[in-house]
Amino acid sequence: QVQLVQSGAEVKKPGASVKVSCKASGYTFTSYDINWVRQATGQGLEWMGWMNPNSGNTGYAQKFQGRVTMTRNTSISTAYMELSSLRSEDTAVYYCARAPVYAMYYFDYWGQGTLVTVSS
Amino acid sequence: NFMLTQPHSVSESPGKTVTISCTRSSGSIASNYVQWYQQRPGSSPTTVIYEDNQRPSGVPDRFSGSIDSSSNSASLTISGLKTEDEADYYCQSYDSSNQVFGGGTKLTVL
Repeated sequence: QVQLVQSGAEVKKPGASVKVSCKASGYTFTSYDINWVRQATGQGLEWMGWMNPNSGNTGYAQKFQGRVTMTRNTSISTAYMELSSLRSEDTAVYYCARAPVYAMYYFDYWGQGTLVTVSS
Repeated sequence: NFMLTQPHSVSESPGKTVTISCTRSSGSIASNYVQWYQQRPGSSPTTVIYEDNQRPSGVPDRFSGSIDSSSNSASLTISGLKTEDEADYYCQSYDSSNQVFGGGTKLTVL
C-alpha cells in the first residue's frame, strides 16, 4: 500500500533552518511528484511547492522563493523540504503529498505531517 | 494568482444534504480541475473529489462535485449526512505555476 512517512517533530530557534523528510513506499517513487503543504494551527492549507523526483525539477510558491529547497534521494525513495530563516509564523504542520505526473493537481496520498515549532 | 473562497462554516442535520461552495476570484473555474479534500481533526487531508466530479475508490457516492461557470464556482454536495462526515473541507485548484487551496469550510453535523 502507498505510504508517505515523514520525519518527527522539530523545535527550532528563529533564524535557523529545518529539513523535513518524506519516505515513500508502495509505489515507484520517480513516477509521482511530491508536493509540500503546510498548515498553521487552526488555519487552512497552504501550498509551498513541488518536486519531480525523476528529474529533480522544482517549482516553489512565490511566498517561499529563496527560503525553501526541495530535494530527493532516489536510492532511498525519500524527498526533503528545507526551510531557512525560520520565524515564528513558520510554526505549522508540514505535509508531503504525492501527485501523478500526468495529473499534477491531484494530491492523492498525504504523509502524516511533521510539526515544526519555531520559538526562542 | 487567484483565490478560492469558501464559507467558513456550514451545519446540517444527519440524513440531510449539504452543499459547500468554492468561488474562484479570477480566471474561469472550468479552465482547471477542482479537487476537494476532507480533513478530520488531528488527521491528514484525504481526497473526496478530484477532477471536478470524480470520486476516488472507497469514497461513498453520497459525495459529489460539480462546477458552475455562471457563478465561477465549484460545489461539493454531501447527501444522507452522517456524523462521521463532520470535518473541514478544502477545495483546491491551480494555474500554470501554482496550486491554490480555499480557506476551508467546517462542516458540523448536528
